[in-house]
Amino acid sequence: DIQMTQSPSSLSAGVGDRVIITCRASQSITTHLLWYQQKLGEAPKFLIYGASSLQSGVPSRFSGGGSGRDFTLTISSLQPEDFATYYCQQSYSTPWTFGQGTKVEV
Amino acid sequence: VQLVQSGAEVKKPGASVKVSCKASGYIFTNYEINWVRQVPGQGLEWMAWMNPITGNPGYSQKFRGRVTVTRDTSISTAYLEVNSLTSDDTAVYYCARTTNSGWFDHWGQGSLVTVSS
Repeated sequence: DIQMTQSPSSLSAGVGDRVIITCRASQSITTHLLWYQQKLGEAPKFLIYGASSLQSGVPSRFSGGGSGRDFTLTISSLQPEDFATYYCQQSYSTPWTFGQGTKVEV
Repeated sequence: VQLVQSGAEVKKPGASVKVSCKASGYIFTNYEINWVRQVPGQGLEWMAWMNPITGNPGYSQKFRGRVTVTRDTSISTAYLEVNSLTSDDTAVYYCARTTNSGWFDHWGQGSLVTVSS
């Protein structure tokens, strides 16, 4: 199975801050990397596919990058509605696996 | 696109639970359905997927033999059944529409299953 490791597990930031979350795969997954946002008590929301392509409707302050084993999710200017937990997931091969999550808090 | 799941359940250890996921707003047989669970306070864990045309399933090794996924195409509904429940199965269970590239692009609202004696 492909292991996904996110860092940090949590971070504190303020409105307007630039936030970077990293995700590392245990083997190369080329660009088969997805990002989700989950707010407390809600289902995950699909943000990014193919490591860097924004799903329709996702604000442009979100961006993704990377290939191979190392990936990033960047929020260029954190907004109040962005405080949530973010998960990466590999879509390279089954079993699909997720990172453990990064909680972005005030 | 909407995926509407069945409501919360409380089950005793050793029992089974069947969660439903009714799809609307798209052609049900055009997308796979995957199931993901989330233990309270923890991350996301993939459990199983199903090809809605053939009904062929795939399971995480962790759940194989204890979990069954099925569907009824006439009502655009997928099902997840978990047997031999223990307290470790207390979790929110999600269904997710999945593209052929493995993207979970729409999720159900989740179904909380509580296992308690």
